[in-house]
Amino acid sequence: QAVLTQPASLSASPGASASLTCTLRSGINVGPYRILWYQQKPGSPPQFLLSYKSDSDKQQGSGVPSRFSGSKDASANAGILLISGLQSEDEADYYCMIWHISAWVFGGGTKLTVL
Amino acid sequence: QAQLVQSGSELQKPGASVKVSCRASGFTFSNYGLDWVRQAPGQGLEWMGWMNTNTGTPTFAQGFTGRFVFSLDTSVSTAYLQINSLKPEDSAVYYCARGRGSDGFDIWGQGTMVTVSS
Repeated sequence: QAVLTQPASLSASPGASASLTCTLRSGINVGPYRILWYQQKPGSPPQFLLSYKSDSDKQQGSGVPSRFSGSKDASANAGILLISGLQSEDEADYYCMIWHISAWVFGGGTKLTVL
Repeated sequence: QAQLVQSGSELQKPGASVKVSCRASGFTFSNYGLDWVRQAPGQGLEWMGWMNTNTGTPTFAQGFTGRFVFSLDTSVSTAYLQINSLKPEDSAVYYCARGRGSDGFDIWGQGTMVTVSS
């Protein structure tokens, strides 16, 4: 089982909100981890969106709109990227990442379609 | 502005070697780590390891030991990724990224596509 699991795809309408999940493998508690989120559009490198460990320990990427926010769902053992007020330009692949046992680990990515 | 610029696409035969460069500008090279990330066609991101630009010490992720070499030329703020004994499954886009320790990567190179085919 992968360390980080993301749904392969998600669709949402313009103006709506999209909640992208990043679930940690059973036995790995999300609590202590900083979850980082990256956005990747076709043909481009990933771009750092934000990191979230707690409400008092979070960082927004430079120039990233506030409609992108991070959180955790302890009951689901997951990190969450919430995108509000979806725009067509938000259509992209989204990857979560954590530092786990001395290595960076990426989730498999979620392809977000805005239609 | 701070940026990483990588060398161009490569087409190599199986068994050959390839060396990808990543030139930094707009920031103090030795103040940050330099990480490498692989993305196979249509696939996700995979962390390969990183280079301590202060000490020149490389750290490799599992699965990237043996044929993979990280190096530096600090005089020109450039990091290199060399892959030896290339296999078709090494075909991928290779990214360098500026590492900020526990804060992940904030700046990425544009990527270098390496194609291994006879």
